[in-house]
Amino acid sequence: DIQVTQSPSSLLASLGERVTITCQTSQSISNNLNWYQQKPGQAPMLLIYYATSLQTGMTSRFSGQYSGRSFTLTITSLEPEDIANYFCLQHYSAPYTFGAGTKLELK
Amino acid sequence: QIQLVQSGPELKKPGESVKISCKASGYTFTDYAMHWVKQAPGKGLKWMGWINTYTGKPTYADDFKGRFVFSLEASASTANLQISNLKNEDTATYFCARRSSRIGFDYWGQGVMVTVSS
Repeated sequence: DIQVTQSPSSLLASLGERVTITCQTSQSISNNLNWYQQKPGQAPMLLIYYATSLQTGMTSRFSGQYSGRSFTLTITSLEPEDIANYFCLQHYSAPYTFGAGTKLELK
Repeated sequence: QIQLVQSGPELKKPGESVKISCKASGYTFTDYAMHWVKQAPGKGLKWMGWINTYTGKPTYADDFKGRFVFSLEASASTANLQISNLKNEDTATYFCARRSSRIGFDYWGQGVMVTVSS
């Protein structure tokens, strides 16, 4: 199985701050990784697909990059509505596996 | 708009069975596979498997073979997950998620909390 290591597990940030979350995979998955935002009691929402593509309708504050087995999600300027949990998902090969999640909170 | 609406929370005793549903709307149901994901309290997400909504063929991840059954009511654009002989460790939120060949997992249901307690 492909392991996905996500960091940090929690993050305190201020409004307007730039935030970066990282997922590292145990083997190469090309760009087959998506990023999601999840708020309590709600369905996860797709932010970035295939590592770098912004999902339709999502704010351009979110962006994704990757290099080799390392993937990053960046929020350029934190807004109140960005306070949520974030996780990554590799869909390169089954069993599909997830990062453990990052809880983003306001400082 | 595309929606996956799941059934309500369930409280069950060990040994009982539960069936939860995921009703799709806003797209052609049989054009996209439906996947199931488990999130136990305080734990990460775990992929359970998927069902081909065109053929009805299910595929289960190794940890979900035996007591877990994926099924369809295609005429109702609904995917179901049934868990039999419930155990305490089945206590979790269960999500359905649509998989697009172009994007990956794009739309998710809101999740169903299943609590197993004597």
